[in-house]
Amino acid sequence: ETGVTQTPRHLVMGMTNKKSLKCEQHLGHNAMYWYKQSAKKPLELMFVYNFKEQTENNSVPSRFSPECPNSSHLFLHLHTLQPEDSALYLCASSRGLTDTQYFGPGTRLTVL
Amino acid sequence: GENVEQHPSTLSVQEGDSAVIKCTYSDSASNYFPWYKQELGKGPQLIIDIRSNVGEKKDQRIAVTLNKTAKHFSLHITETQPEDSAVYFCAASRNTGTASKLTFGTGTRLQVTL
Repeated sequence: ETGVTQTPRHLVMGMTNKKSLKCEQHLGHNAMYWYKQSAKKPLELMFVYNFKEQTENNSVPSRFSPECPNSSHLFLHLHTLQPEDSALYLCASSRGLTDTQYFGPGTRLTVL
Repeated sequence: GENVEQHPSTLSVQEGDSAVIKCTYSDSASNYFPWYKQELGKGPQLIIDIRSNVGEKKDQRIAVTLNKTAKHFSLHITETQPEDSAVYFCAASRNTGTASKLTFGTGTRLQVTL
């Protein structure tokens, strides 16, 4: 275990649904990240938070809405997604923005 | 921005043989190069990393080499075992001291056969 947990592990949703992904880290880290992992493509950074403040939004569509209430928790709110949004969504954390990133197990999302 | 290319995309070796995975990067200012291993149903796990002030780093059966001039770095796994079977990702980033952004390669699926 890396100290980064994600729930749910699997999620199936329709295009009109609203759902949320949750990430929690027990490492005392200050930075948290959302990545998207699609088949045959490199991991894509989506959002970065440092001390609860968003420091990077990598041109992510507004149907993905992140929330970081504190340094230990990170959410990704999903609404009106498209089938091409189906992927593995990975959360990561690091002590600081230049330190090693530790990944959670991911949430496998399928959009019907 | 940074671009990282990784080869091969798949690699099959016999148990006990060595495996080598190669990556090239485009940003000459990149100074941090981690390697991650991803097993089925799990997230990527850091296995070794190297910074630009060294040319080689070794940890038991795993080693990484860096050639800054050519802008490429490689992962070497010796005496491979079935549990080494996984997808391996290289990454590169430029750490400015206050921020960094990892750019990943597309991954190499390593299969160690008995």
